[in-house]
Amino acid sequence: AQSVSQHNHHVILSEAASLELGCNYSYGGTVNLFWYVQYPGQHLQLLLKYFSGDPLVKGIKGFEAEFIKSKFSFNLRKPSVQWSDTAEYFCAVLTTSGTYKYIFGTGTRLKVLA
Amino acid sequence: NAGVTQTPKFQVLKTGQSMTLQCAQDMNHEYMSWYRQDPGMGLRLIHYSVGAGITDQGEVPNGYNVSRSTTEDFPLRLLSAAPSQTSVYFCASTSDRVNSPLHFGNGTRLTVT
Repeated sequence: AQSVSQHNHHVILSEAASLELGCNYSYGGTVNLFWYVQYPGQHLQLLLKYFSGDPLVKGIKGFEAEFIKSKFSFNLRKPSVQWSDTAEYFCAVLTTSGTYKYIFGTGTRLKVLA
Repeated sequence: NAGVTQTPKFQVLKTGQSMTLQCAQDMNHEYMSWYRQDPGMGLRLIHYSVGAGITDQGEVPNGYNVSRSTTEDFPLRLLSAAPSQTSVYFCASTSDRVNSPLHFGNGTRLTVT
C-alpha cells in the first residue's frame, strides 16, 4: 500500500542544534514531494516542495530537503534551529503517475528549547 | 487576501446530531478537499472535488457528505455525528493539484460527545 513514513514522532532540540527529520515513502511511480509545517494553533503551510530537477531544494526559513530517489526518501534539514521552529512537520507525497493522490505522513512534533 | 476560510472554528455535538462545516476559498481554485487530522495518524482525505459539480471519495468518506455547487464553496456534512468523528478538520484547495501546493484553512475542531 502507498504510504509515507516519518520515523521521528517527537524531537526535542536546543536552539542552534542541527535538525534532520526523516521521510520515506512507498510508491513505485513518479511523485511530487512536499514538507508542510503547522505552527501551534495554526493551519498547515508549505515549507518546501520538489517536483523535478535539482534534488536538493531550499525552502523558507533556512530549511532544505534532499530527494534521494534510490532510497525513496525526502529528509528535511536545518543547520541551526530556533525556538520559533517549534511546530509539527508533515511530509507529503503526491502521486503523479496514474491517479493523483496526496499521502501525508503522521507528522513529527519538534520542540526547540530556548 | 482571505485564502481558505473555514467556519466554525470549534464545535461540540451530541451523538446523532448533524451539522455542516463550511469551507470557502477566494482564489478561484478548482480543486478542493477535506482532511481530518487525528493524533498519530497524520491527515486523511475524506472527500475531494476537482471542480463545481464534481466530487469524489477519499480514504475515509463514511459518515460524511459533500457537494460543490460553486467553485468557491465546498461544505462538509456530518449526517449523524459519532464520537469517532471527533477530530480536527481541514479544508484545502489548489489551482493545480499536480503542480501547485495545497492551501489550507485554519481548521475546525469538532468534539462529539
